[in-house]
Amino acid sequence: QSALTQPASVSGSPGQSITISCTGTSSDVGGYNYVSWYQQHPGKAPKLMIYDVSNRPSGVSNRFSGSKSGNTASLTISGLQAEDEADYYCSSYTSSGTLVVFGGGTKLTVL
Amino acid sequence: QVQLQESGPGLVQPSQTLSLTCTVSGGSISSGAYYWSWIRQHPGKGLEWIGYIFYSGSTYYNPSLKSRVTISVDTSKNQFSLKLSSVTAADTAVYYCARDLNGYNSVDVWGQGTTVTVSS
Repeated sequence: QSALTQPASVSGSPGQSITISCTGTSSDVGGYNYVSWYQQHPGKAPKLMIYDVSNRPSGVSNRFSGSKSGNTASLTISGLQAEDEADYYCSSYTSSGTLVVFGGGTKLTVL
Repeated sequence: QVQLQESGPGLVQPSQTLSLTCTVSGGSISSGAYYWSWIRQHPGKGLEWIGYIFYSGSTYYNPSLKSRVTISVDTSKNQFSLKLSSVTAADTAVYYCARDLNGYNSVDVWGQGTTVTVSS
């Protein structure tokens, strides 16, 4: 069981927007602005899409955005494209001792 | 552009020590700005953070693995390494070396990953 809770799957049509949630506790997501989001295509290494809740690394499309409210962080992808189909993982700093916790991952299907 | 490459045996016997090395190219591991991490992914599963090392040698490990993990750095070779002792089948996974921007799991550069199977 992962420390952060994500939906197992989400789907959307090309051009639409989707949001993936990541729920934790006040010891991780809710307590610190250190939430990251990763995209992983099959057989590939993860790719950093968002860090520190809402910052985009250089080269990441502005169709990807991150936010947080209370103990839940969210990744929003607008203007869905076929290449967005992948697994998405959230991660957070935690004061619980583990230092870093991940969500279980969400499979995004572009219909 | 910084690139990372894992190397090491793909098959390890149970109870033995898993040893992997990550070679950093395109930048210095001693730049002082980053944390050098190991992360693994069990087959068909999610990601698990193993630990990281700062160029100075300071380390932080996942408490669930701490008794078995050692991460070290060799600045002269621009490499950092992972040792995981007393392995079992549960340690079979893809192991990634990675660069963390700030020590809070903002991992912006990943190696391609190397599959390690624990089996006799």
